[in-house]
Amino acid sequence: AQSVSQHNHHVILSEAASLELGCNYSYGGTVNLFWYVQYPGQHLQLLLKYFSGDPLVKGIKGFEAEFIKSKFSFNLRKPSVQWSDTAEYFCAVNGRGSGGYNKLIFGAGTRLAVHP
Amino acid sequence: KAGVTQTPRYLIKTRGQQVTLSCSPISGHRSVSWYQQTPGQGLQFLFEYFSETQRNKGNFPGRFSGRQFSNSRSEMNVSTLELGDSALYLCASSFGTSDAYEQYFGPGTRLTVT
Repeated sequence: AQSVSQHNHHVILSEAASLELGCNYSYGGTVNLFWYVQYPGQHLQLLLKYFSGDPLVKGIKGFEAEFIKSKFSFNLRKPSVQWSDTAEYFCAVNGRGSGGYNKLIFGAGTRLAVHP
Repeated sequence: KAGVTQTPRYLIKTRGQQVTLSCSPISGHRSVSWYQQTPGQGLQFLFEYFSETQRNKGNFPGRFSGRQFSNSRSEMNVSTLELGDSALYLCASSFGTSDAYEQYFGPGTRLTVT
């Protein structure tokens, strides 16, 4: 069975601080990996995704994530956060061959609060 | 292009009742997936429909069901509501069912069961 673990449930940072949110997954095969963000009062939206190729993927709003296969990890990073990055962040996985590309398994989420 | 729309946005029901939620995907999208979001369990996959056929199902009891119409609009139904069914129900649409396509989420329907 697939599962996703996000290490931090709440993160508080000051503006300009660097961000790294941890994500580990459990699945025996090849995976597609995603980070979604939910800003207060808004829809879930895709930040970035990894399917294959370069393990360092860049997304919107200056976010990037690195897939480390040996560690089953897909950590999200941003060098300098802004107040507008305050949101909840979800890591998700879709195991290829697990039954469908649109069946996402989500982590519990990390609430990020950025103080000016 | 209009986004994914869900109706109603808020709903209050009583234990034992049934409820139907509706999702209109982005125009041209043929895949619709449903998720349940609760503080305790997080986001959990319910099921996916593509071209009016259920393609995938999550680990939910049979009280949760869905369908998709020929215009790709989808409904989900929960019968014999329980207090634990209180949640935000999210719908996501995608053009297809391969990794070439991204899922777009709607605003959700907030269901409260009393």
